[in-house]
Amino acid sequence: AQRVTQPEKLLSVFKGAPVELKCNYSYSGSPELFWYVQYSRQRLQLLLRHISRESIKGFTADLNKGETSFHLKKPFAQEEDSAMYYCALRATGGGNKLTFGTGTQLKVEL
Amino acid sequence: DTEVTQTPKHLVMGMTNKKSLKCEQHMGHRAMYWYKQKAKKPPELMFVYSYEKLSINESVPSRFSPECPNSSLLNLHLHALQPEDSALYLCASSQADTTSYEQYFGPGTRLTVT
Repeated sequence: AQRVTQPEKLLSVFKGAPVELKCNYSYSGSPELFWYVQYSRQRLQLLLRHISRESIKGFTADLNKGETSFHLKKPFAQEEDSAMYYCALRATGGGNKLTFGTGTQLKVEL
Repeated sequence: DTEVTQTPKHLVMGMTNKKSLKCEQHMGHRAMYWYKQKAKKPPELMFVYSYEKLSINESVPSRFSPECPNSSLLNLHLHALQPEDSALYLCASSQADTTSYEQYFGPGTRLTVT
């Protein structure tokens, strides 16, 4: 069975500081990894997927299969980045099921 | 239209009531999902429909009954719920047959069981 771990419930950084939200997974196969974000009073939305290797809103995430990690990074935090961030895994051959981590609340302070 | 819509936004029901939650999308997605989300917790998958057929039931109690009448609509029928079923119920949709896909989420229905 697959599992996603986000060790930090809350991460507080100052505006302009670098941000790293940690995500580790356990899965014996080859997973698809995603980062979803939920801004206050808005719906859950996709931020990044590992397969596209893109940068969205300045965020990047690299899949490290050796460390089974998919950490989310941004060099300079902005106030509008404050939100709940969920790492999620889709098992290949596992149908359309997403397994979510417990989430990290990012707070960017001025 | 790239949105998933859900009605109602809020619902209060007694433990003996029968009610339904509705979800609609017009993106041509053939996979649709119901999730339950408690406060400050991640979404928990309940059901997955693929091509209008139930493909995943995450051992959800029978007081929750999903229905997919066509490729655009998804319902969740509720009967004899318990107070602990109070939560935000999220609907999502996605492509059914791609190697990499995105789930589009609705805003949710806030359910309170009294």
